[in-house]
Amino acid sequence: AQSVSQHNHHVILSEAASLELGCNYSYGGTVNLFWYVQYPGQHLQLLLKYFSGDPLVKGIKGFEAEFIKSKFSFNLRKPSVQWSDTAEYFCAVNVKNNAGNMLTFGGGTRLMVKP
Amino acid sequence: EAGVTQSPTHLIKTRGQQATLRCSPISGHTSVYWYQQALGLGLQFLLWYDEGEERNRGNFPPRFSGRQFPNYSSELNVNALELEDSALYLCASSSPGTGRQYFGPGTRLTVT
Repeated sequence: AQSVSQHNHHVILSEAASLELGCNYSYGGTVNLFWYVQYPGQHLQLLLKYFSGDPLVKGIKGFEAEFIKSKFSFNLRKPSVQWSDTAEYFCAVNVKNNAGNMLTFGGGTRLMVKP
Repeated sequence: EAGVTQSPTHLIKTRGQQATLRCSPISGHTSVYWYQQALGLGLQFLLWYDEGEERNRGNFPPRFSGRQFPNYSSELNVNALELEDSALYLCASSSPGTGRQYFGPGTRLTVT
């Protein structure tokens, strides 16, 4: 079974700092990769996704992620964070097979941006 | 376009009771997924329904069950509630052939 690891459980940054959240997955086959965000009091929203093609994907709100197949990684980045980026971030994977599109999530990273 | 809706928003039950949670997918979506977001355990896949059939389930006991109706809405039933069932239950829907899931706001179940 696949698993997803997010290395940082809590991250605290000042505004304008750069952000990189790590995500590694374990599965040898073809996967779809996602980053979701959960702002305080709101529901999960898709930040960006990778299905195929250019491994550098751009999402909403200035976020991007790079798929490195050899490292089984899909790290999330943002050059300059804002206070409004305070949220919990989840990396997720689904496997391209007949088992459906169930998502396997990482444990989440709580990001706090200090104004 | 209306998003995924879930009801109730909050549900308080006592141990041993049954809970029923409801989900309405986005119009045109035929797949419904249920996830449990428990404190300290992250988001875990519970159940997947598509075209009225249960297609897959996660590593949860049989007292977690559900169904999908002809209009693609879904119910999650949790029998013989235990304290550790307290969590946020999220429903997501997707349209055929796509990998993207859209999430609802969740139902917070508290078992006392």
